[in-house]
Amino acid sequence: DQQVKQNSPSLSVQEGRISILNCDYTNSMFDYFLWYKKYPAEGPTFLISISSIKDKNEDGRFTVFLNKSAKHLSLHIVPSQPGDSAVYFCAAGGSARQLTFGSGTQLTVLP
Amino acid sequence: GAVVSQHPSWVICKSGTSVKIECRSLDFQATTMFWYRQFPKQSLMLMATSNEGSKATYEQGVEKDKFLINHASLTLSTLTVTSAHPEDSSFYICSAISRGGAKSSYNEQFFGPGTRLTVL
Repeated sequence: DQQVKQNSPSLSVQEGRISILNCDYTNSMFDYFLWYKKYPAEGPTFLISISSIKDKNEDGRFTVFLNKSAKHLSLHIVPSQPGDSAVYFCAAGGSARQLTFGSGTQLTVLP
Repeated sequence: GAVVSQHPSWVICKSGTSVKIECRSLDFQATTMFWYRQFPKQSLMLMATSNEGSKATYEQGVEKDKFLINHASLTLSTLTVTSAHPEDSSFYICSAISRGGAKSSYNEQFFGPGTRLTVL
């Protein structure tokens, strides 16, 4: 039973355009959400997070949107750069401080 | 941000041998460390939660006698894969929570670079 789902395994975007990565969750007990970027054979690197009491958090080119009623969050990257090419994982956390990860989306930014 | 290291970064071993992987928090004290494994093109799956000075808590389906976890100090946790078999080949990643880290920061888990285990 996947509690956090990323239904798009891959996404290709032209450099300079917007990248939108999506994530759905089923457990309403999650109270915070995070996005991580990961390169092959490396550990995940934290990008941005959002509390369940907010609907938007912005940090530079990265913005995370949360729709609690739809149990959906998305990561927007504007403008996309070739260096953004990586696998992006969304993760959800609750009171136990454990994280549940989605399956990841491979983003490719084309020059 | 806080730094977590793992050693070794890559290990190849023969079937039936045991392999120890170390996870260290280099510039902070970690009360809790997590161990994950990742198969190719799949998500990170939590294996166990390791708390300093106490027994690890294993996720359902993870054999605690096969994956021995020791969190002997606030900066070191070890994962020993005992009697490794080819199906144990995977990418193992640890993460650490900073002692006294504020939950409201939501960036409290710092990940190591991972260890690639290949069992022949």
